[in-house]
Amino acid sequence: AQSVAQPEDQVNVAEGNPLTVKCTYSVSGNPYLFWYVQYPNRGLQFLLKYITGDNLVKGSYGFEAEFNKSQTSFHLKKPSALVSDSALYFCAVRDDYGQNFVFGPGTRLSVLP
Amino acid sequence: EAQVTQNPRYLITVTGKKLTVTCSQNMNHEYMSWYRQDPGLGLRQIYYSMNVEVTDKGDVPEGYKVSRKEKRNFPLILESPSPNQTSLYFCASSSLGEQYFGPGTRLTVT
Repeated sequence: AQSVAQPEDQVNVAEGNPLTVKCTYSVSGNPYLFWYVQYPNRGLQFLLKYITGDNLVKGSYGFEAEFNKSQTSFHLKKPSALVSDSALYFCAVRDDYGQNFVFGPGTRLSVLP
Repeated sequence: EAQVTQNPRYLITVTGKKLTVTCSQNMNHEYMSWYRQDPGLGLRQIYYSMNVEVTDKGDVPEGYKVSRKEKRNFPLILESPSPNQTSLYFCASSSLGEQYFGPGTRLTVT
C-alpha cells in the first residue's frame, strides 16, 4: 500500500528566502507524485506533478519539485517565497493502476514579511 | 469553465438522518473520488469510481455509500450519519493525472 510522509507540520520562512516543503513516499511500482495547495476556506489546487522524465518538475506560481528515486522523496521548492504563498501544502502519490490516491497529512507554510 | 461542484457547501444535521452530498463535473472525466479532511490526518479517500457503474472502496469507506449512474455525477450518501462523520468533504475528478477538486462540503453531525 502507498503512503506519504510530510515530516514537518509547520514551516516558517521569511519573505524573499528560498523555501522547501518535504515529502517522502512509499509505493510499489512507478510513483506518480503530486503537490497541491489549500488556501483558507478553499478547495485544493494542483501545483505540479511527476509522472516520468526530468527529475526537476516546474509548476504553478513559481514552485518546483525534485524527484529523488533513491531517497523516495519529492520535495517542493521555491527560490523566493512570497507572503501570499502562506497556505497548507499536501503531497500525494498515486499507484500504477491510477486507482488510489494517498495524501500526506499536510504542511502549513507561513511566509513572514 | 471546467469545474467540480458540490452541494450543499455547509450542512448541519442530526444523528441518523440520511443525507446526500452531490458532486458534478463538466470535464468528461472518467475518474471521480470522495475524500474527507480532518486536522492532522490530511485527506483520506472514502470511495472512488473509475467509470460509470464502477466504484470501489478507498481507505475509510465505513458509513458511506456512493453511486455512479452518470459520468458527470458521483453523489456521496450517508445512510445513518454519526458524529464521527463530522468533517470537511471533497469531491474530485481526473483524467490521466492530477485531480480537480470541488470547493468542499462542511458537514456537522450532532
